[in-house]
Amino acid sequence: QITLEESGPTLVKPTQTLTLTCAFSGFSLTPRGVGVGWIRQAPGKALEWLALIYWNDDKTYSPSLKTRLTITKDTSRNHVVLIMTNLEPVDTATYYCAHSFWGLLDSWGPGVSVTVSS
Amino acid sequence: EVVMTQSPATLSVSPGERVTLSCRASQSVDRNLAWYRQRPGQAPRLLIYGASTRATGIPARFSGSGSETDFTLTINSLQSEDFALYYCHQYLNWPYTFGQGSRLEIK
Repeated sequence: QITLEESGPTLVKPTQTLTLTCAFSGFSLTPRGVGVGWIRQAPGKALEWLALIYWNDDKTYSPSLKTRLTITKDTSRNHVVLIMTNLEPVDTATYYCAHSFWGLLDSWGPGVSVTVSS
Repeated sequence: EVVMTQSPATLSVSPGERVTLSCRASQSVDRNLAWYRQRPGQAPRLLIYGASTRATGIPARFSGSGSETDFTLTINSLQSEDFALYYCHQYLNWPYTFGQGSRLEIK
Protein backbone atom coordinates (compact mmCIF):
# COMPACT_ATOMS: atom_id res chain seq x y z
CA GLN A 1 0.00 0.00 0.00
CA ILE A 2 1.40 3.36 -1.05
CA THR A 3 1.32 6.14 1.52
CA LEU A 4 2.76 9.64 1.46
CA GLU A 5 2.81 12.32 4.13
CA GLU A 6 3.86 15.93 3.84
CA SER A 7 5.46 17.86 6.66
CA GLY A 8 6.72 21.37 7.13
CA PRO A 9 5.96 24.70 8.78
CA THR A 10 2.37 25.89 8.79
CA LEU A 11 3.27 29.59 9.05
CA VAL A 12 6.02 31.31 7.12
CA LYS A 13 6.89 35.00 6.91
CA PRO A 14 7.13 36.81 3.58
CA THR A 15 10.55 36.55 1.90
CA GLN A 16 11.41 33.44 3.91
CA THR A 17 12.24 30.03 2.48
CA LEU A 18 9.85 27.09 2.78
CA THR A 19 11.14 23.53 3.12
CA LEU A 20 8.63 20.73 2.76
CA THR A 21 9.32 17.03 3.17
CA CYS A 22 7.39 14.17 1.64
CA ALA A 23 7.91 10.88 3.46
CA PHE A 24 6.63 7.89 1.57
CA SER A 25 6.28 4.15 1.92
CA GLY A 26 4.99 1.27 -0.15
CA PHE A 27 7.11 2.04 -3.20
CA SER A 28 10.66 2.71 -4.26
CA LEU A 29 11.92 5.69 -6.24
CA THR A 30 14.19 3.51 -8.35
CA PRO A 31 12.04 1.72 -10.94
CA ARG A 32 11.80 3.34 -14.36
CA GLY A 33 8.87 5.73 -14.66
CA VAL A 34 8.37 6.32 -10.95
CA GLY A 35 8.48 9.82 -9.54
CA VAL A 36 7.19 12.06 -6.78
CA GLY A 37 5.43 15.28 -7.59
CA TRP A 38 4.45 18.35 -5.62
CA ILE A 39 1.15 20.09 -6.27
CA ARG A 40 -0.45 22.98 -4.41
CA GLN A 41 -3.93 24.38 -4.03
CA ALA A 42 -4.58 27.92 -2.88
CA PRO A 43 -7.81 28.41 -0.88
CA GLY A 44 -10.79 28.02 -3.20
CA LYS A 45 -8.53 27.58 -6.24
CA ALA A 46 -7.60 24.83 -8.63
CA LEU A 47 -4.68 22.42 -8.39
CA GLU A 48 -1.29 23.64 -9.59
CA TRP A 49 1.71 21.48 -10.46
CA LEU A 50 4.95 22.63 -8.87
CA ALA A 51 7.69 20.09 -9.51
CA LEU A 52 8.39 16.46 -10.27
CA ILE A 53 11.44 14.33 -9.59
CA TYR A 54 11.96 11.09 -11.46
CA TRP A 55 13.58 7.75 -10.64
CA ASN A 56 16.68 8.78 -12.60
CA ASP A 57 16.97 12.13 -10.74
CA ASP A 58 15.62 14.16 -13.65
CA LYS A 59 13.65 17.12 -12.39
CA THR A 60 11.00 19.33 -13.92
CA TYR A 61 9.58 22.55 -12.55
CA SER A 62 6.61 24.79 -13.15
CA PRO A 63 7.87 27.38 -15.66
CA SER A 64 6.37 30.22 -13.63
CA LEU A 65 8.05 29.10 -10.39
CA LYS A 66 11.22 27.40 -11.55
CA THR A 67 13.55 30.11 -10.30
CA ARG A 68 12.19 29.63 -6.78
CA LEU A 69 11.93 25.84 -6.56
CA THR A 70 14.35 23.02 -5.83
CA ILE A 71 13.30 19.38 -5.57
CA THR A 72 15.57 16.63 -4.29
CA LYS A 73 15.22 13.01 -3.27
CA ASP A 74 16.80 10.70 -0.73
CA THR A 75 16.05 7.25 -2.07
CA SER A 76 17.57 5.43 0.89
CA ARG A 77 15.36 7.31 3.36
CA ASN A 78 12.27 7.43 1.12
CA HIS A 79 12.05 11.21 1.28
CA VAL A 80 11.53 13.93 -1.26
CA VAL A 81 12.14 17.55 -0.32
CA LEU A 82 10.77 20.67 -1.97
CA ILE A 83 12.36 24.04 -1.27
CA MET A 84 10.60 27.25 -2.27
CA THR A 85 12.36 30.57 -1.80
CA ASN A 86 11.17 34.14 -1.35
CA LEU A 87 7.66 33.31 -0.22
CA GLU A 88 4.78 35.74 -0.71
CA PRO A 89 1.22 35.77 0.67
CA VAL A 90 -0.01 34.39 -2.70
CA ASP A 91 1.93 31.21 -1.91
CA THR A 92 -0.54 30.46 0.89
CA ALA A 93 -1.92 27.06 -0.04
CA THR A 94 -2.21 23.40 0.82
CA TYR A 95 0.83 21.59 -0.54
CA TYR A 96 0.49 17.97 -1.62
CA CYS A 97 3.01 15.37 -2.65
CA ALA A 98 1.96 12.43 -4.78
CA HIS A 99 3.32 9.23 -6.30
CA SER A 100 3.75 9.59 -10.04
CA PHE A 101 4.06 6.96 -12.73
CA TRP A 102 5.01 8.58 -16.02
CA GLY A 103 3.26 11.73 -14.82
CA LEU A 104 0.06 10.11 -13.59
CA LEU A 105 -0.58 10.98 -9.95
CA ASP A 106 -2.16 7.88 -8.48
CA SER A 107 -1.65 8.28 -4.73
CA TRP A 108 -1.63 11.52 -2.79
CA GLY A 109 -0.62 12.58 0.69
CA PRO A 110 -3.18 14.38 2.88
CA GLY A 111 -1.47 17.72 2.29
CA VAL A 112 0.03 20.35 4.55
CA SER A 113 -1.49 23.80 4.90
CA VAL A 114 1.01 26.65 4.66
CA THR A 115 0.16 30.27 5.43
CA VAL A 116 2.46 33.09 4.39
CA SER A 117 1.93 36.07 6.65
CA SER A 118 3.91 38.51 8.71
CA GLU B 1 1.39 24.93 -21.89
CA VAL B 2 -1.69 22.79 -22.47
CA VAL B 3 -4.77 24.57 -21.13
CA MET B 4 -7.48 22.29 -19.76
CA THR B 5 -11.00 23.72 -19.78
CA GLN B 6 -13.73 22.03 -17.79
CA SER B 7 -17.47 22.50 -18.07
CA PRO B 8 -19.74 23.18 -16.41
CA ALA B 9 -18.11 25.02 -13.53
CA THR B 10 -20.98 24.04 -11.24
CA LEU B 11 -23.81 21.57 -11.66
CA SER B 12 -26.78 21.11 -9.32
CA VAL B 13 -28.16 17.59 -9.42
CA SER B 14 -30.18 15.21 -7.29
CA PRO B 15 -28.90 11.96 -5.79
CA GLY B 16 -29.50 9.03 -8.10
CA GLU B 17 -29.19 11.12 -11.25
CA ARG B 18 -26.60 10.70 -13.99
CA VAL B 19 -24.15 13.48 -14.85
CA THR B 20 -21.60 14.11 -17.54
CA LEU B 21 -18.65 16.43 -17.03
CA SER B 22 -16.50 17.71 -19.89
CA CYS B 23 -12.84 18.53 -20.25
CA ARG B 24 -11.22 20.04 -23.32
CA ALA B 25 -7.49 20.33 -23.98
CA SER B 26 -6.01 23.20 -26.00
CA GLN B 27 -3.95 20.64 -27.93
CA SER B 28 -3.94 16.88 -28.24
CA VAL B 29 -2.98 14.93 -25.12
CA ASP B 30 -3.70 11.60 -26.81
CA ARG B 31 -5.26 9.54 -23.99
CA ASN B 32 -3.01 10.84 -21.22
CA LEU B 33 -5.96 12.21 -19.30
CA ALA B 34 -6.99 11.53 -15.71
CA TRP B 35 -9.97 12.48 -13.58
CA TYR B 36 -9.89 13.15 -9.84
CA ARG B 37 -12.57 13.68 -7.21
CA GLN B 38 -11.83 16.00 -4.31
CA ARG B 39 -14.10 16.10 -1.29
CA PRO B 40 -13.95 19.09 1.09
CA GLY B 41 -10.82 19.08 3.21
CA GLN B 42 -9.39 16.04 1.44
CA ALA B 43 -6.73 15.34 -1.14
CA PRO B 44 -7.80 14.51 -4.69
CA ARG B 45 -8.44 10.85 -5.42
CA LEU B 46 -7.73 9.26 -8.77
CA LEU B 47 -10.87 8.00 -10.50
CA ILE B 48 -9.93 7.48 -14.15
CA TYR B 49 -6.63 7.33 -16.03
CA GLY B 50 -5.74 6.74 -19.64
CA ALA B 51 -9.01 8.56 -20.40
CA SER B 52 -11.18 5.53 -19.67
CA THR B 53 -9.56 3.10 -17.19
CA ARG B 54 -11.01 3.08 -13.69
CA ALA B 55 -8.45 3.23 -10.91
CA THR B 56 -8.27 0.52 -8.28
CA GLY B 57 -11.33 0.48 -6.03
CA ILE B 58 -13.36 2.93 -8.10
CA PRO B 59 -16.95 1.75 -8.60
CA ALA B 60 -18.39 1.03 -12.02
CA ARG B 61 -20.74 4.02 -11.87
CA PHE B 62 -17.73 6.11 -12.95
CA SER B 63 -16.75 5.99 -16.60
CA GLY B 64 -14.50 8.07 -18.80
CA SER B 65 -14.26 8.52 -22.54
CA GLY B 66 -12.56 10.62 -25.16
CA SER B 67 -9.19 11.14 -26.77
CA GLU B 68 -6.93 13.89 -28.12
CA THR B 69 -8.72 17.06 -27.01
CA ASP B 70 -12.21 16.15 -25.83
CA PHE B 71 -12.98 14.05 -22.78
CA THR B 72 -15.96 13.25 -20.60
CA LEU B 73 -16.53 11.80 -17.15
CA THR B 74 -19.91 10.19 -16.58
CA ILE B 75 -21.22 9.32 -13.14
CA ASN B 76 -24.29 7.12 -12.98
CA SER B 77 -26.62 7.04 -9.99
CA LEU B 78 -25.00 9.81 -7.96
CA GLN B 79 -24.25 8.93 -4.34
CA SER B 80 -23.86 11.39 -1.48
CA GLU B 81 -20.07 11.08 -1.57
CA ASP B 82 -20.03 12.15 -5.22
CA PHE B 83 -21.04 15.73 -4.44
CA ALA B 84 -17.56 17.14 -4.66
CA LEU B 85 -15.07 18.83 -6.97
CA TYR B 86 -13.82 17.04 -10.09
CA TYR B 87 -10.59 17.83 -11.90
CA CYS B 88 -9.20 16.62 -15.19
CA HIS B 89 -5.45 16.40 -15.60
CA GLN B 90 -3.23 15.94 -18.66
CA TYR B 91 0.06 14.16 -18.13
CA LEU B 92 1.43 14.05 -21.65
CA ASN B 93 3.30 17.35 -21.95
CA TRP B 94 5.19 19.16 -19.19
CA PRO B 95 4.11 21.31 -17.53
CA TYR B 96 1.36 18.87 -16.68
CA THR B 97 -1.84 20.79 -16.12
CA PHE B 98 -5.19 20.53 -14.39
CA GLY B 99 -8.54 21.93 -15.36
CA GLN B 100 -10.13 24.55 -13.15
CA GLY B 101 -12.58 22.02 -11.74
CA SER B 102 -16.28 21.19 -11.90
CA ARG B 103 -18.35 21.26 -8.71
CA LEU B 104 -21.30 18.93 -8.20
CA GLU B 105 -23.87 20.33 -5.80
CA ILE B 106 -26.96 18.75 -4.32
CA LYS B 107 -30.13 20.18 -5.85
